[in-house]
Amino acid sequence: DTGVSQDPRHKITKRGQNVTFRCDPISEHNRLYWYRQTLGQGPEFLTYFQNEAQLEKSRLLSDRFSAERPKGSFSTLEIQRTEQGDSAMYLCAIWEGADKDEQYFGPGTRLTVT
Amino acid sequence: GEDVEQSLFLSVREGDSSVINCTYTDSSSTYLYWYKQEPGAGLQLLTYIFSNMDMKQDQRLTVLLNKKDKHLSLRIADTQTGDSAIYFCAEMDSSYKLIFGSGTRLLVRP
Repeated sequence: DTGVSQDPRHKITKRGQNVTFRCDPISEHNRLYWYRQTLGQGPEFLTYFQNEAQLEKSRLLSDRFSAERPKGSFSTLEIQRTEQGDSAMYLCAIWEGADKDEQYFGPGTRLTVT
Repeated sequence: GEDVEQSLFLSVREGDSSVINCTYTDSSSTYLYWYKQEPGAGLQLLTYIFSNMDMKQDQRLTVLLNKKDKHLSLRIADTQTGDSAIYFCAEMDSSYKLIFGSGTRLLVRP
């Protein structure tokens, strides 16, 4: 158990529909990251939050993607008007800062767009 | 830009040592990481090394870092069938996000 849960674990949707994923760290962490992993590749950075503030967004994050972390705890990632190319595993990670620089990942949400 | 490269595949016999190699480009990386991913699962942090170290040992795992050549390796001693998985090397950039390689698939033969 990494201390990060994600919901749902799997999502199948039709092209053009909107989807929302949720990431819940068990305890408070300053930094929360979203990554995307496609088949046969390593995870790619999408965006990250320091508390409630979204500090960086990758160029992979088109205007169809939006992420929030309203109270500095859980986070949501929404994809509007999904496309087949959005099919991937969406991973959330928390950063253990202070004395150690460890990023722990949740189990991911696998999205399939048909 | 930053780039991390790994060989795609490694096959070893059970009980042998495995060595997985990685090269990276960002000389300002402060930490370098190894993650393990089993089929259908998330990423498990195995170990990491601070850039001012050249070696770190943790039970069966040994990480070697050659900062001059920007080369990182992970050695798994006495490899077991349960070690079969994909291993990802990652560097942390200046904004604390991870840049991953494409992963090395390790197959352990009985």
